[in-house]
Amino acid sequence: KAGVTQTPRYLIKTRGQQVTLSCSPISGHRSVSWYQQTPGQGLQFLFEYFSETQRNKGNFPGRFSGRQFSNSRSEMNVSTLELGDSALYLCASAGTTYNEQFFGPGTRLTVL
Amino acid sequence: AQKVTQAQTEISVVEKEDVTLDCVYETRDTTYYLFWYKQPPSGELVFLIRRNSFDEQNEISGRYSWNFQKSTSSFNFTITASQVVDSAVYFCALSHSGGYNKLIFGAGTRLAVHP
Repeated sequence: KAGVTQTPRYLIKTRGQQVTLSCSPISGHRSVSWYQQTPGQGLQFLFEYFSETQRNKGNFPGRFSGRQFSNSRSEMNVSTLELGDSALYLCASAGTTYNEQFFGPGTRLTVL
Repeated sequence: AQKVTQAQTEISVVEKEDVTLDCVYETRDTTYYLFWYKQPPSGELVFLIRRNSFDEQNEISGRYSWNFQKSTSSFNFTITASQVVDSAVYFCALSHSGGYNKLIFGAGTRLAVHP
């Protein structure tokens, strides 16, 4: 069974640009969550999508948004990039609620 | 509010030593779930264990064992006879009823196992 895949693995952008990250969950999983990992703030929850609906959201500005498609693939978008958005963005998929989540390799975003 | 505290920032041991990683959590919910994840240098988080708040049984899996104590709000992780391959950052996390799959992570403990 293929694991969680994230594309691209690395991105370099400049301030003010926008970026879209993609996550393909494990086949059959309908829950996709996104996390931001930085040295200063650690791992922080961004949002979770389940069956194309956002059912939980973390404390991030509106520049961070996401969506989920009918095949459970999810995208995350960050608009008007700031230097502080440089981070490792991790996606996790789950087959059920409150059980283990499986993480992808992450997308490392660098904002110059 | 929910919170997870991993007070040990870094631990350094020599191979074959036993090591315990501490995790203390805060929640007002009676139903919650605790997790441990490992993050090797590659960056991908690897699931290790899940415990629900109604199951205080300790668990052993090979060289790994977990001690869950509701009385002290702790969920500690012990590696017996550590190996170099255990070197990684270990995260304790909490999810609560109503939060769906939102995980609240501790700051992580970096474990370095030296030969």
